[in-house]
Amino acid sequence: GQNIDQPTEMTATEGAIVQINCTYQTSGFNGLFWYQQHAGEAPTFLSYNVLDGLEEKGRFSSFLSRSKGYSYLLLKELQMKDSASYLCAVRDGDYKLSFGAGTTVTVRA
Amino acid sequence: ETGVTQTPRHLVMGMTNKKSLKCEQHLGHNAMYWYKQSAKKPLELMFVYNFKEQTENNSVPSRFSPECPNSSHLFLHLHTLQPEDSALYLCASSQGTENSPLHFGNGTRLTVT
Repeated sequence: GQNIDQPTEMTATEGAIVQINCTYQTSGFNGLFWYQQHAGEAPTFLSYNVLDGLEEKGRFSSFLSRSKGYSYLLLKELQMKDSASYLCAVRDGDYKLSFGAGTTVTVRA
Repeated sequence: ETGVTQTPRHLVMGMTNKKSLKCEQHLGHNAMYWYKQSAKKPLELMFVYNFKEQTENNSVPSRFSPECPNSSHLFLHLHTLQPEDSALYLCASSQGTENSPLHFGNGTRLTVT
């Protein structure tokens, strides 16, 4: 089966940096996705990594190491609106997208 | 307006009722999905349709019955549900290629009494 692990909760201060780690063990690998989900809303796509390295998109960056089965999402210059759940998802060998349980990030003033 | 629309947003039903969830996507995508989201648990893939053909049934009980009449519409028919089926049901669509992200609707919050 698929195993995708990420921390349950993280708390940080406005303006700070937070790094959300994700480790995975899946039957095949065709890319890793990060989603943001605010309470009561749909998950929205943040980033996609299929090759090793760092992808940067404004305040958000995502890193992938396929040999280690590891990714992280880096949120810089945190804002109150960044308080949300962040979901790590892996597309496996059959192209199905499997999700971790999500990391709830709380940003404090 | 979101590209993926789900109705209703909230649904309360008894265990003997029959109801349907509806999903419509306006993005021209080929693939549509049903996911179940329970508190503190990963999203669970239920069904996948690609070009209207069901390509995945992830061991879902028969009390959940999907229907995909065309590439833009997806239904989930519910009957004789159990209280443990209470959850957020999310519909998503994608282009169906390996690097295409899923676009989710806002979900239907289902409560089975």
